[in-house]
Amino acid sequence: DAGITQSPRHKVTETGTPVTLRCHQTENHRYMYWYRQDPGHGLRLIHYSYGVKDTDKGEVSDGYSVSRSKTEDFLLTLESATSSQTSVYFCATRETGLYGYTFGSGTRLTVV
Amino acid sequence: AQKVTQAQTEISVVEKEDVTLDCVYETRDTTYYLFWYKQPPSGELVFLIRRNSFDEQNEISGRYSWNFQKSTSSFNFTITASQVVDSAVYFCALSEATIQGAQKLVFGQGTRLTINP
Repeated sequence: DAGITQSPRHKVTETGTPVTLRCHQTENHRYMYWYRQDPGHGLRLIHYSYGVKDTDKGEVSDGYSVSRSKTEDFLLTLESATSSQTSVYFCATRETGLYGYTFGSGTRLTVV
Repeated sequence: AQKVTQAQTEISVVEKEDVTLDCVYETRDTTYYLFWYKQPPSGELVFLIRRNSFDEQNEISGRYSWNFQKSTSSFNFTITASQVVDSAVYFCALSEATIQGAQKLVFGQGTRLTINP
């Protein structure tokens, strides 16, 4: 969906290095989410945002931090990447009062 | 806490067969939404359907149909006359309310469906 852009699309990084993934939306949606997808687990919520500078933890937030300094951007940071954070990361957005979610195309992150 | 269970990890059928994907959920919310998404080999998530907890009518869209039963907390998905293009991973998901109104999505583990020619 052209309304959400995730960058980079693919990244290989070394253990212990910091990594930032970016989610950019043009929909002006209030809510934004970061999920990770792993085999056997489906998609699990890492963090979400309910407004500029307003964020909260999801079920698998350890080792991740987020920031949202403006409506259109939601950044996910791995302060010190570990091999267990090798995954596909999806960003999603949703507008207030609506129950349709827009998903980005995903970022495949490999930590070696 | 909310939970979605897709007990079928993998299903393999021959083209033109009908196939049903099971989804069972747990929630303490009285109002909630259920979803099905398709993830083809290309990796993107494709929205298929959203169902409100107050609407138990079954839905049909072409070869796809959904059976929602609150009494058994199930929201099953049937593909009639399956085609090779239906091969994908299918996810069932449930909305979970937050105090900030964010409505998180809780996903099942996914069912990998393979349609063989």
